[in-house]
Amino acid sequence: QQQVKQSPQSLIVQKGGISIINCAYENTAFDYFPWYQQFPGKGPALLIAIRPDVSEKKEGRFTISFNKSAKQFSLHIMDSQPGDSATYFCAASIPSSASKIIFGSGTRLSIRP
Amino acid sequence: GAVVSQHPSRVICKSGTSVKIECRSLDFQATTMFWYRQFPKQSLMLMATSNEGSKATYEQGVEKDKFLINHASLTLSTLTVTSAHPEDSSFYICSADTGGKAFFGQGTRLTVV
Repeated sequence: QQQVKQSPQSLIVQKGGISIINCAYENTAFDYFPWYQQFPGKGPALLIAIRPDVSEKKEGRFTISFNKSAKQFSLHIMDSQPGDSATYFCAASIPSSASKIIFGSGTRLSIRP
Repeated sequence: GAVVSQHPSRVICKSGTSVKIECRSLDFQATTMFWYRQFPKQSLMLMATSNEGSKATYEQGVEKDKFLINHASLTLSTLTVTSAHPEDSSFYICSADTGGKAFFGQGTRLTVV
């Protein structure tokens, strides 16, 4: 059973455009929702994270939008740059084990120059 | 930020041999570490939770006798792939918990020939 569903599987965006990746979860016990960025051959790196008590969190060009009632959250990358080309994973964890991360299936993002 | 180091980054071994992968937290102590496995173009799948001073907790479907985990100190967890076969070839990634956040190692590419 996939606990965190992610879409799209791949995404191509023009330089300067907005990249949007969506995720949905099923387990209402999840209370921590991080996004990770992974480059080929490297481990994932924490990009930004949110808890369900807020609807939006912004850090630089990266914004998470969170809809608790719909059990959905999304990542928006503003002014997308070629260096943003990577695989992005949404994830979730429960309070009793915040660092036991359950990953979504991933989105391969390509930014066209 | 917290640094997690994995060694080796790449390893090639012959079928039937065993391979040990180390995961170290360099600047913090971690009572809990996690081991993930990632196949090409796929997501990270949690294999087991490594607990310092006690037995690891394995996820459903993961063979504990094949993937031996030892967490002998607060800064080191090891994953030993025993009697490796080509189907064990994968990218293995560890993470360590500090302050309720997970920090990931750079991964180990295992190729079994």
